[in-house]
Amino acid sequence: AQTVTQSQPEMSVQEAETVTLSCTYDTSENNYYLFWYKQPPSRQMILVIRQEAYKQQNATENRFSVNFQKAAKSFSLKISDSQLGDTAMYFCAFMGQGGKLIFGQGTELSVKP
Amino acid sequence: DTEVTQTPKHLVMGMTNKKSLKCEQHMGHRAMYWYKQKAKKPPELMFVYSYEKLSINESVPSRFSPECPNSSLLNLHLHALQPEDSALYLCASSQRLGQGSTDTQYFGPGTRLTVL
Repeated sequence: AQTVTQSQPEMSVQEAETVTLSCTYDTSENNYYLFWYKQPPSRQMILVIRQEAYKQQNATENRFSVNFQKAAKSFSLKISDSQLGDTAMYFCAFMGQGGKLIFGQGTELSVKP
Repeated sequence: DTEVTQTPKHLVMGMTNKKSLKCEQHMGHRAMYWYKQKAKKPPELMFVYSYEKLSINESVPSRFSPECPNSSLLNLHLHALQPEDSALYLCASSQRLGQGSTDTQYFGPGTRLTVL
């Protein structure tokens, strides 16, 4: 069975600084997808970034980028130039061939002015 | 456009009431999902519909009854709920189920349910 682990329940960062959220996963599948979702206090779950396991290049979306290490089964999210609006719960998620999303427990990020 | 809408935003109901949650998407997606989420926890999958047919039921109690009237609509009928069913109910959709790159799920804003 696949599992997703986020080892940092809470993190904080100063505005304009860079922060990295960790995620590791376990799977025996070779083709899969990894996601970071953001859930602000408004509770809307928003897709931040997606990574296909067959792609070696790390995904990037504006200030958000990932460090995907397939052999190590690691998928960290880097947020550059943090903004107050980045304050949210961040969930790492795995999707294998069955199409079901497996979520980590989440990291609550606070961006401080 | 990656919009999934859900109504109502908030719902308060007694344990003997019958109510329904509604989810709608107009992205042409053929897979739709219901999740239950408790505060500060990840979403838990409840049901998945693929091409209007129930594909996955995660052993959800029968007091929750899903329905997919057409490819754009997903309902969740509620009856005789318990206080522990109070949670945020999220709907999501994706182009397909289990088809690789088309699986990305897009979530609605959720319905916050309180059972008294």
